Amino acid sequence: KNEVEQSPQNLTAQEGEFITINCSYSVGISALHWLQQHPGGGIVSLFMLSSGKKKHGRLIATINIQEKHSSLHITASHPRDSAVYICAVVRPGGAGTASKLTFGTGTRLQVTL
Amino acid sequence: KAGVTQTPRYLIKTRGQQVTLSCSPISGHRSVSWYQQTPGQGLQFLFEYFSETQRNKGNFPGRFSGRQFSNSRSEMNVSTLELGDSALYLCASSLAVVRGGELFFGEGSRLTVL
Repeated sequence: KNEVEQSPQNLTAQEGEFITINCSYSVGISALHWLQQHPGGGIVSLFMLSSGKKKHGRLIATINIQEKHSSLHITASHPRDSAVYICAVVRPGGAGTASKLTFGTGTRLQVTL
Repeated sequence: KAGVTQTPRYLIKTRGQQVTLSCSPISGHRSVSWYQQTPGQGLQFLFEYFSETQRNKGNFPGRFSGRQFSNSRSEMNVSTLELGDSALYLCASSLAVVRGGELFFGEGSRLTVL
């Protein structure tokens, strides 16, 4: 079983729909990132959070540390939101070592007109 | 403020050759981390450098190595290339990965091994 699981793997939505992407993890973490990757490969960091909720424009990210779960919501989705969304957890390092990222497998979102 | 720059963007090598990829972080960022992305395995952590020291390493064979220079620029090297090394190699810079610093990714170097 992967340490970071995302659902759904693929998602098709119509423009304007409210979208939720889920991320569950099984390890202790110090933070969680939501990343967006467009065709061509470039990755953009959307959010980094360790508790609660963050909002940026039409995007909202929440995390529940006790339940080891995070969600990314997109309100009023638009075709330009079509991308792969990746959840990544920061696993704390031991003494003298830095933390490192473990990634989910991504959710491919397609928003149609 | 310039973003993270990776060179080269695309390259083709043959099995057995070696390759060196370069990453210039955002000015002021001392942490550079490297990742491999393949269709089968997704994104995987390779290693992280902070102030010229390797701080952490993922589960990759010794053929994968890296270094960081005093100006924080980083290089990664893959020796004795195998077909399975074909991938998108991404680097990210951060003030520090410790405590989950925000990551800024480059566009990646797409390596094809024939």
